[in-house]
Amino acid sequence: EDKVVQSPLSLVVHEGDTVTLNCSYEVTNFRSLLWYKQEKKAPTFLFMLTSSGIEKKSGRLSSILDKKELFSILNITATQTGDSAVYLCAVDGGGADGLTFGKGTHLIIQP
Amino acid sequence: DVKVTQSSRYLVKRTGEKVFLECVQDMDHENMFWYRQDPGLGLRLIYFSYDVKMKEKGDIPEGYSVSREKKERFSLILESASTNQTSMYLCASSLVEEETQYFGPGTRLLVL
Repeated sequence: EDKVVQSPLSLVVHEGDTVTLNCSYEVTNFRSLLWYKQEKKAPTFLFMLTSSGIEKKSGRLSSILDKKELFSILNITATQTGDSAVYLCAVDGGGADGLTFGKGTHLIIQP
Repeated sequence: DVKVTQSSRYLVKRTGEKVFLECVQDMDHENMFWYRQDPGLGLRLIYFSYDVKMKEKGDIPEGYSVSREKKERFSLILESASTNQTSMYLCASSLVEEETQYFGPGTRLLVL
């Protein structure tokens, strides 16, 4: 059975800190790994990673995938209170396999 | 552990057919959601429900309807499937709106 494990499950930091969120996976087939930010209803898409070692960046957020060690990290630098959310990691197994989601990391940024 | 199950992992239908996608959660969650995910578009909310028999439109409800007759079950209905509804459909549930959503494995629907 495909598995995605995120850590930590929750994290409280102060504004301005840098955080690293982890996602490890075990899937039969791998097509891509996706990161989402969930605040209210629909999660917002952040990154899709398919290749090892290539960092994707968007503003203060960046992410990288290691397909050998089967994990990805999401970094947020200079955190702001608006970064408070649940961050979800999901792996797309392709074909008849679905998306497998982790349980999310609940990030709280204190002023 | 929360479990969200979807009736099919992979479905092939013809244009014009009526399609039912079923989602069941076992944690007595109030909220349930249906999304579709397409390459490059992330997750888009189709409908959600915050209680039995209650439903609200999401961002892309056209061509879809939903049914929530029991708390644990949320169905997505394509009244007359079209090729542009070929997608990955994901169901999720949460205890309250702001809390973590738990996702099912998804159904890959192909409409020919």
